[in-house]
Amino acid sequence: DQQVKQNSPSLSVQEGRISILNCDYTNSMFDYFLWYKKYPAEGPTFLISISSIKDKNEDGRFTVFLNKSAKHLSLHIVPSQPGDSAVYFCAARDSHGGSQGNLIFGKGTKLSVKP
Amino acid sequence: ETGVTQSPTHLIKTRGQQVTLRCSSQSGHNTVSWYQQALGQGPQFIFQYYREEENGRGNFPPRFSGLQFPNYSSELNVNALELDDSALYLCASSWRRQGRTEAFFGQGTRLTVV
Repeated sequence: DQQVKQNSPSLSVQEGRISILNCDYTNSMFDYFLWYKKYPAEGPTFLISISSIKDKNEDGRFTVFLNKSAKHLSLHIVPSQPGDSAVYFCAARDSHGGSQGNLIFGKGTKLSVKP
Repeated sequence: ETGVTQSPTHLIKTRGQQVTLRCSSQSGHNTVSWYQQALGQGPQFIFQYYREEENGRGNFPPRFSGLQFPNYSSELNVNALELDDSALYLCASSWRRQGRTEAFFGQGTRLTVV
């Protein structure tokens, strides 16, 4: 049973426009959420995170929004650039998990930014 | 560049064999986690080591085992390899502290079991 779901396997966006990547979760014990970007043949790269006590976190072109009541978070990239083309993973931490840093990942969304 | 390095980058093994994968953590990090990423899936948590002791385990059988050394480098060992063990194995290091849990990943080891 998937606790973190990224329902869009792929997304295509024009350069300069906004990219919105979505993520849903089922476990209300998740207290910390992260987004990672992954290029082929590389490991995931940390992008941005948000604590469950916040509803928004911004870092440059990247903003993460958290809606706890809907168990939904989204990553906004504005403006999108061709170099943003990668697979984006949403991840969550269970505050009652057996270990710190035990992250539960979604299946990823492949973002393609077209020039 | 995360400072987390894994070796080897690629490996081919035969079913039933044993394999050891290695990870060098980012300087200053005391926690290392291992993940398995199958094709088309997100990374799945295998286990975590904190100060040389296992500190949590995912849904993986005991033939998956690990070690963390005093310098915080780590090994993942898999015995009796099965075809389904073919995957990208990722090591992630972090600094265990309250409220923050960003993990920094290495480039991974691509294991193929034939």
